[in-house]
Amino acid sequence: EIVLTQSPATLSLFPGERATLSCWASQPISNNFLTWFQQKPGQAPRLLIYGASRRATGIPDRFSGSGSGADFTLTISRLEPEDFAVYYCQPYGTSWTFGQGTKVEMK
Amino acid sequence: EVQVVESGGGLVQPGGSLKLSCAASGFAFSELTMHWVRQASGKGLEWIARIRDKAYGYATEYPASVKDRFTVSRDDSKNTVYLQMNNLKTEDTAVYYCAREAFYLDLWGRGTRVTVSS
Repeated sequence: EIVLTQSPATLSLFPGERATLSCWASQPISNNFLTWFQQKPGQAPRLLIYGASRRATGIPDRFSGSGSGADFTLTISRLEPEDFAVYYCQPYGTSWTFGQGTKVEMK
Repeated sequence: EVQVVESGGGLVQPGGSLKLSCAASGFAFSELTMHWVRQASGKGLEWIARIRDKAYGYATEYPASVKDRFTVSRDDSKNTVYLQMNNLKTEDTAVYYCAREAFYLDLWGRGTRVTVSS
């Protein structure tokens, strides 16, 4: 089982700032099969990124994913008010356990 | 419309059982793998079950936290996936989501709330 560690637990930023979220895996993730989800209070998770770097349909280009092996990053280039939420990473294919999440809160 | 809709949540006593349903529409349900994910209030997402399609023998997977208590099944004639939960514990209190796997989890329902309390 792959264990994902997300950092930081909470990120306090102003709208317009850049957000950088990290996700580390306990072992390399095959084929970079890693997704990022956004979740707002009372809502289901929303798929943002798959394959570590591919934006899902309808996701704005201010969201980008990068990384490979066991070290991945989600970057939000300029935070919009609607981007303040919790973000989770998850591998897929052979392991499905989520990271513990990073909360992006408005400063 | 392409969607999955969960139902069957409610209040159950510790040690009790509950069966959740997830009805799919708008896509080729029988050809796809389905998952259940849960989230306790104020906590993160926990993956709890996976069931593959007929081509893979309806194989199932669970994490250790629910294995032997939870059983995922499906009825392709009804486009529905189920989660049978037995010997429920207070720590099973959560919102339970159903999700479609198209290599990754790309479609989620709104969830159904399960409360385990006496």
